[in-house]
Amino acid sequence: GQNIDQPTEMTATEGAIVQINCTYQTSGFNGLFWYQQHAGEAPTFLSYNVLDGLEEKGRFSSFLSRSKGYSYLLLKELQMKDSASYLCAVRDKEYNFNKFYFGSGTKLNVKP
Amino acid sequence: GAVVSQHPSRVICKSGTSVKIECRSLDFQATTMFWYRQFPKQSLMLMATSNEGSKATYEQGVEKDKFLINHASLTLSTLTVTSAHPEDSSFYICSARDLAGGPFDIQYFGAGTRLSVL
Repeated sequence: GQNIDQPTEMTATEGAIVQINCTYQTSGFNGLFWYQQHAGEAPTFLSYNVLDGLEEKGRFSSFLSRSKGYSYLLLKELQMKDSASYLCAVRDKEYNFNKFYFGSGTKLNVKP
Repeated sequence: GAVVSQHPSRVICKSGTSVKIECRSLDFQATTMFWYRQFPKQSLMLMATSNEGSKATYEQGVEKDKFLINHASLTLSTLTVTSAHPEDSSFYICSARDLAGGPFDIQYFGAGTRLSVL
């Protein structure tokens, strides 16, 4: 099965840096994704890691360690609009096709 | 990125009626689409994987006769909630994989459908 854990809620200040962690246990790991979801809206793709290391994309970076079953999303220069839920999703290969399993999401509150 | 259209965005229906939700990939072909359900303040729960031209694969605990999925073309999948009851009220979201998306195999999400059953 799949077990994906991330903190429920975090608070950070505008302009600061925040790191959102995600740990996972899956049987057929085939990539880790981060999505942003504003309340009542669909998730939007942020980043993707399949190999170990850091992927940087503007203000957002994501890190993966497959041996540790660990990833984090790093948000720099926080803006008020970054207040949202951040979902960690693991792509799991079963029977030759991929499924995505999501963590419970981390609600990020950015305060002035 | 690729666009996935989901319709309707909101539906209110009486208990016992059936509701159909459509998910379309607008500018790409999707052999596989996914249907999720999301309760308030919770994450997405995968309900089923919809494969074009074949039967959907349901996750454990999801009733296939309750949630009928049809994936008749490379750009359209439908989810029908049959004989809806208040406990079926939820946010339903579809996603689609872009066949030509390369190794990333990114899922693109529809805007979701909020179903309220009275």
